[in-house]
Amino acid sequence: SQKIEQNSEALNIQEGKTATLTCNYTNYSPAYLQWYRQDPGRGPVFLLLIRENEKEKRKERLKVTFDTTLKQSLFHITASQPADSATYLCALDSSASKIIFGSGTRLSIRP
Amino acid sequence: DGGITQSPKYLFRKEGQNVTLSCEQNLNHDAMYWYRQDPGQGLRLIYYSQIVNDFQKGDIAEGYSVSREKKESFPLTVTSAQKNPTAFYLCASSTGGNQPQHFGDGTRLSIL
Repeated sequence: SQKIEQNSEALNIQEGKTATLTCNYTNYSPAYLQWYRQDPGRGPVFLLLIRENEKEKRKERLKVTFDTTLKQSLFHITASQPADSATYLCALDSSASKIIFGSGTRLSIRP
Repeated sequence: DGGITQSPKYLFRKEGQNVTLSCEQNLNHDAMYWYRQDPGQGLRLIYYSQIVNDFQKGDIAEGYSVSREKKESFPLTVTSAQKNPTAFYLCASSTGGNQPQHFGDGTRLSIL
């Protein structure tokens, strides 16, 4: 069955450093990969979408890579700030009409 | 501002009771979704609808029901058949297919 794996352990890094989160998937060949941010008690907010034929996508301090050979996506936040602290979810298209979500990685940026 | 609204924010249910969670969107999106989120887990799809008057079961539809009589509304009923209903429920909408989804701020359901 399709499976998405995100590091369940929280990632704690120093302000100003680059945070890198990982999303691995198995039994699957997605056409799209998406990243969302979720704050406690709130709904997820869409950040970036990358297609299978795109290696890299950038938006301000965010960068996403998509390696279909490794079946992995990396999500980078450069010059991280305490306000970037949240849970980050990756999601893949499981069919033409829906997507499936990973369990998310909690990121904490300490001043 | 366009968005998606869920109400209420918190909901309490007695054993054996059905409850209905509201979800309204003014984004003119065709597709709407209901997810359940438990602590430490990802979002699990309950039901989704790609068009008015049509909906499909997701991965955990047992004990839930939905309707889609209007494009902007997609209410979820948690029935007494759902044995473990305590969770955070999220509604989302999109332009369809596997396009990015816009989420409401959720309803937290608890059992008294």
